[in-house]
Amino acid sequence: HSALTQPASVSGSPGQSITISCTGGVNDVAGYTYVSWYQQHSGNAPKLIIFDVTKRPAGVSDRFSGSKSDNTASLTISGLQPEDEADYHCASYSLMNTWVFGGGTRVTVL
Amino acid sequence: EVHLLESGGDLVQPGGSLRLSCAASGFSFSDFAMSWVRQAPGKGLEWVSTVSGSGGGTYYAASVQGRFTISRLNSQNTVYVQMSSLTVEDTAVYYCAQGGYCDFWTGYCRFDFWGPGTLVTVSS
Repeated sequence: HSALTQPASVSGSPGQSITISCTGGVNDVAGYTYVSWYQQHSGNAPKLIIFDVTKRPAGVSDRFSGSKSDNTASLTISGLQPEDEADYHCASYSLMNTWVFGGGTRVTVL
Repeated sequence: EVHLLESGGDLVQPGGSLRLSCAASGFSFSDFAMSWVRQAPGKGLEWVSTVSGSGGGTYYAASVQGRFTISRLNSQNTVYVQMSSLTVEDTAVYYCAQGGYCDFWTGYCRFDFWGPGTLVTVSS
């Protein structure tokens, strides 16, 4: 299974909104509503911030939102804050209980 | 509070073997699938393997199929991955994660919690 495609980097100023795309195919993103997003601060473990395309776990800021259209999922961060500077990884369920991740996107707060 | 802690990472020569362990606490261990996800230096995450809550179902990425074996001991709240025929491409931080088995009946399909990871370096 090929990795999902994410932009290598996205940047924005505090208070702005940014969107990270995650493009897959018919066997993953387009075929299932099981896309999740993980935030990873430098040197730390990933943290689940979005699951099932649009849902947020308890305790995750509502500044994070997810969506999907056809074979592309998106993560939007509204009201960008300095603590949002991190790597963001998308993941999708694929065939026969396998998973595919994106290459990760580095978010920089200017 | 869910707590996952990996151990066993080491420097190993190409062709060698290694076993990683992940000790879990803070949840009903046998109710959840457990997975291994790795991250090569400077790279993105790569799903490696998942074992169902009972241990009866195991799933592998094509890149490790036939070389890695995932297992669990529910009485010890521990999940393992036995890695053999290691190559330099297996060099990565290996994370243990809760979840990874998609239950289409309940709709549970994600990696909820992650451990801090353990580093495996394959080099001569």
